[in-house]
Amino acid sequence: QLHLQESGPGLVKPSETLSLTCTVSGDSFNNVLYHWGWIRQPPGRGLEWIGSIYSTGSTSYNPSLKSQVTLSVDMSRNQVSLKLTSVTAADTALYYCALYVWGSYLGYWGQGALVTVSS
Amino acid sequence: EIVLTQSPATLSLSPGERATLSCRASQSVGNYVAWYQQKPGQAPRLLIYDASTRAADIPHNFSGSGFGTDFTLTISSVQPEDFAVYYCQQRSNSLITFGQGTRLEIK
Repeated sequence: QLHLQESGPGLVKPSETLSLTCTVSGDSFNNVLYHWGWIRQPPGRGLEWIGSIYSTGSTSYNPSLKSQVTLSVDMSRNQVSLKLTSVTAADTALYYCALYVWGSYLGYWGQGALVTVSS
Repeated sequence: EIVLTQSPATLSLSPGERATLSCRASQSVGNYVAWYQQKPGQAPRLLIYDASTRAADIPHNFSGSGFGTDFTLTISSVQPEDFAVYYCQQRSNSLITFGQGTRLEIK
């Protein structure tokens, strides 16, 4: 089984940069092509896809967030990272990382990291 | 951007009843649709992918159907553990969107 764990600050000030890391572990994780996604969920609301990155570094971003988001990958550490710049209260959410399966779907999820944007 | 519209927003049923959840896409997505179940305090769980294929360890009372713009998730006999929020998801041109969710609640 694969295990994903998000980590990072739980509180970020408005206008600053939100940074999260996702680490993958598990017996079945090996050095093959992986496709990772980031999804967020504001409290009491639905899911919003942020973007995705292959282990090669190729990325796709939600057009509504593209100007704020940067995803990066460090396969030597089995990690992907999310940076979201110029945050506002509207960016307060539970942030999930996930691994794609069968090319298009999110089959493995982390438990989520709650990030609150507040001064 | 492809918009997914789920209906109803809330579905109230008794255990043992049949649940039918709908997801409509603003344009054709072929069969690139998945369904997820989310329980309070938990991450979403993949139930169905490619519109009708059950993911690993998903009970047979969950089934999916549809192609193009109209998709359905059916729970043949709702069990107490099935009361949750369900989301559909599509992938088009490497971009993903989710529906707004259907809450399945106990009647």
